Amino acid sequence: QQQVKQSPQSLIVQKGGISIINCAYENTAFDYFPWYQQFPGKGPALLIAIRPDVSEKKEGRFTISFNKSAKQFSLHIMDSQPGDSATYFCAASINNFNKFYFGSGTKLNVKP
Amino acid sequence: ETGVTQSPTHLIKTRGQQVTLRCSSQSGHNTVSWYQQALGQGPQFIFQYYREEENGRGNFPPRFSGLQFPNYSSELNVNALELDDSALYLCASSGQGHGELFFGEGSRLTVL
Repeated sequence: QQQVKQSPQSLIVQKGGISIINCAYENTAFDYFPWYQQFPGKGPALLIAIRPDVSEKKEGRFTISFNKSAKQFSLHIMDSQPGDSATYFCAASINNFNKFYFGSGTKLNVKP
Repeated sequence: ETGVTQSPTHLIKTRGQQVTLRCSSQSGHNTVSWYQQALGQGPQFIFQYYREEENGRGNFPPRFSGLQFPNYSSELNVNALELDDSALYLCASSGQGHGELFFGEGSRLTVL
């Protein structure tokens, strides 16, 4: 059973547009929700993370929206740039961080 | 500050063989986690080591084993390789109790 479900699988956005990636989870014990960015040939790198006590977190052009009652969270990339073209993974873990559950990934292509 | 380094970067094995993958953690990190990333999928947790002890394990058979050394570097060993073991194996280090995983670039294993 997949603990974290991610959609869409792929996404094409024009430069300057907004990219939105969604994730849903079942386990209400999850209390840390990071987003990772992965470029080809590289390992994932932390982009932004949120805890369920807040509904939104913004860092530059990247925003996480969190809906605890719906058990959903999403990544918004404002003013998307070609350099944002990468695969994005949502993830979730429980308070001791020893195990992260990753979504299946979204391949983002930002067209110039 | 030295990041997470993994070796080898690529390797090819045949079914039934054994493989050892190596990881040097980021300076100051005492926790190492291993993940398997199949093509087009998100990383899946294999296990984590903290101060040379296994600190959590995912849904992987016992032929996946690991070690952590006093300098916090780590090895992943896989015995009796199967075709489905073909994947990118990612090592991530972190400080104990800290949420951010710092990933290496991975070791890509192909089993023929």
